[in-house]
Amino acid sequence: NAGVTQTPKFQVLKTGQSMTLQCAQDMNHNSMYWYRQDPGMGLRLIYYSASEGTTDKGEVPNGYNVSRLNKREFSLRLESAAPSQTSVYFCASSGTANYGYTFGSGTRLTVV
Amino acid sequence: QKEVEQDPGPLSVPEGAIVSLNCTYSNSAFQYFMWYRQYSRKGPELLMYTYSSGNKEDGRFTAQVDKSSKYISLFIRDSQPSDSATYLCAMKPTGTASKLTFGTGTRLQVML
Repeated sequence: NAGVTQTPKFQVLKTGQSMTLQCAQDMNHNSMYWYRQDPGMGLRLIYYSASEGTTDKGEVPNGYNVSRLNKREFSLRLESAAPSQTSVYFCASSGTANYGYTFGSGTRLTVV
Repeated sequence: QKEVEQDPGPLSVPEGAIVSLNCTYSNSAFQYFMWYRQYSRKGPELLMYTYSSGNKEDGRFTAQVDKSSKYISLFIRDSQPSDSATYLCAMKPTGTASKLTFGTGTRLQVML
């Protein structure tokens, strides 16, 4: 019962480096989301994908890009990492959002 | 002003106490209400889900929605040290395209 799987769990980047955060779900959910969580700020939506083939900006999309590779996978890319992107990143998915989202265990990213 | 307000805490209670966690909101269109529990260094997990007004009970947990006051609560009876976590409220309007709006979370610590 994997649910939502995120890789990697931890990452340290230097300013200017790029990386891709991977997310996969095995629940046949249509919608997928990327959030960042910072102390005192709560969960902030970066990008989401309502269905395979579509992506839309959330509250804080600057500095990020996403790809909905197929129904299962939704990746988040940082093209040129900045210290302000130091955060914990969560991927989530939902079938019918009325019943909530299922979250992954997170990626803890530090940009130095 | 945020759409959903939640006291960040921390809230410290002795084992066995009744805990009350609360959120207020401003959007009268919200119809679906959820509580998530997030342990340290883990992803949020759905704890309780309610639709519209009323109460819902699940073991030691009771979720309450008062739409007239735009106020939701989560009560934990006979609190245990294992309940120590951050609790996030979340809510959404009807419509499959609408997304969850999260509170920033309340940190709860149950002391032995």
